[in-house]
Amino acid sequence: GAGVSQSPSNKVTEKGKDVELRCDPISGHTALYWYRQSLGQGLEFLIYFQGNSAPDKSGLPSDRFSAERTGGSVSTLTIQRTQQEDSAVYLCASSLGHIQYFGAGTRLSVL
Amino acid sequence: GQQLNQSPQSMFIQEGEDVSMNCTSSSIFNTWLWYKQEPGEGPVLLIALYKAGELTSNGRLTAQFGITRKDSFLNISASIPSDVGIYFCAGQPPSGGATNKLIFGTGTLLAVQP
Repeated sequence: GAGVSQSPSNKVTEKGKDVELRCDPISGHTALYWYRQSLGQGLEFLIYFQGNSAPDKSGLPSDRFSAERTGGSVSTLTIQRTQQEDSAVYLCASSLGHIQYFGAGTRLSVL
Repeated sequence: GQQLNQSPQSMFIQEGEDVSMNCTSSSIFNTWLWYKQEPGEGPVLLIALYKAGELTSNGRLTAQFGITRKDSFLNISASIPSDVGIYFCAGQPPSGGATNKLIFGTGTLLAVQP
């Protein structure tokens, strides 16, 4: 597709379950970013992939959060043993340079 | 780490009014970007600024890269209801090209009353 695609658009899960969120970046973009946006808040940086370099994981809030990017394209953000405070919109962005293009996000609700 | 202070936090205005919002930082940036996020969507780029002192327009939007490289403002003239959304500033800190990471402001929520 022409833009960044994220799936699912909405995810409801029970506390303690694991979830996987998917991001399909714009074709050819070498960088991919994950952010978390809580209700009415700004963008909280989580993790950044750039080409074949080791990812910048400095924003991951705990070891329950992990992400991978296979083949330099699709990325999956995994949250293990979800907690209610993990409820938020998870946004993915990709870029070729410094201008980031965002997907519509996945709204995660942990009950 | 670096932080961006964005103000105001929210604005409630009448259609036709002009709007101004700004971002400040304690350290310099190489690039300033302004994004708009509508409900249920991801942020969309409005304007990109690359040089200190640069003033750039995009329709009714005007943004400037502060001369000190530590601030930027965004003006919207003659607001209309579809201007509603959250506006984010973002800055790229100097990194020698090592990273494309951006630092995002906390956002300004704009509501426009018809």
